[in-house]
Amino acid sequence: KNQVEQSPQSLIILEGKNCTLQCNYTVSPFSNLRWYKQDTGRGPVSLTIMTFSENTKSNGRYTATLDADTKQSSLHITASQLSDSASYICVVSEFLNTGTASKLTFGTGTRLQVTL
Amino acid sequence: GAGVSQSPSNKVTEKGKDVELRCDPISGHTALYWYRQRLGQGLEFLIYFQGNSAPDKSGLPSDRFSAERTGESVSTLTIQRTQQEDSAVYLCASSFQGLSGNTIYFGEGSWLTVV
Repeated sequence: KNQVEQSPQSLIILEGKNCTLQCNYTVSPFSNLRWYKQDTGRGPVSLTIMTFSENTKSNGRYTATLDADTKQSSLHITASQLSDSASYICVVSEFLNTGTASKLTFGTGTRLQVTL
Repeated sequence: GAGVSQSPSNKVTEKGKDVELRCDPISGHTALYWYRQRLGQGLEFLIYFQGNSAPDKSGLPSDRFSAERTGESVSTLTIQRTQQEDSAVYLCASSFQGLSGNTIYFGEGSWLTVV
């Protein structure tokens, strides 16, 4: 069964500090991995998408890494801001033989709180 | 439209009533997804539409749940005889062709409360 596990479940950090969120998956065959940010009461917003051949991708202060061999990804947030307080969700796509479809498996997210 | 639009944004209904939730995907997006998210929990896959292919309904939790999509446009998610356990936010998302690497855009969700 395809699974996506995220850790930690929740995290509290001081403003300005860095943090790293982890994602382990068992989805196969692997197509791509996405990180989403979800503010409370809002829909998820895409941060990064990485395919098999990509090891790292950045989006501003967010940097995602992918190790397709160990099936692990991380999301590193640099110089955190209060507005980074949200849930961060790892989503892995399973490649389907139809060629144009993909099935998504969602992690349950890491709840990040940035405080003064 | 500029983004995925969902309506209603909030719905309170009595147990046993039917509800219909609507999703307008981004124009040109052939792939459309419905997810359910209970309070404090992760997203739960419900159904996936891709162009004219038969939808993937494997996530629908019971026969009280059904979804339709007209061509490559609007989709409606219908919940019949609602139960309190159906209370959740229902999120719709769309993407271009559902191809690998395409960004999936989410709507703001329809918050359903069954009392």
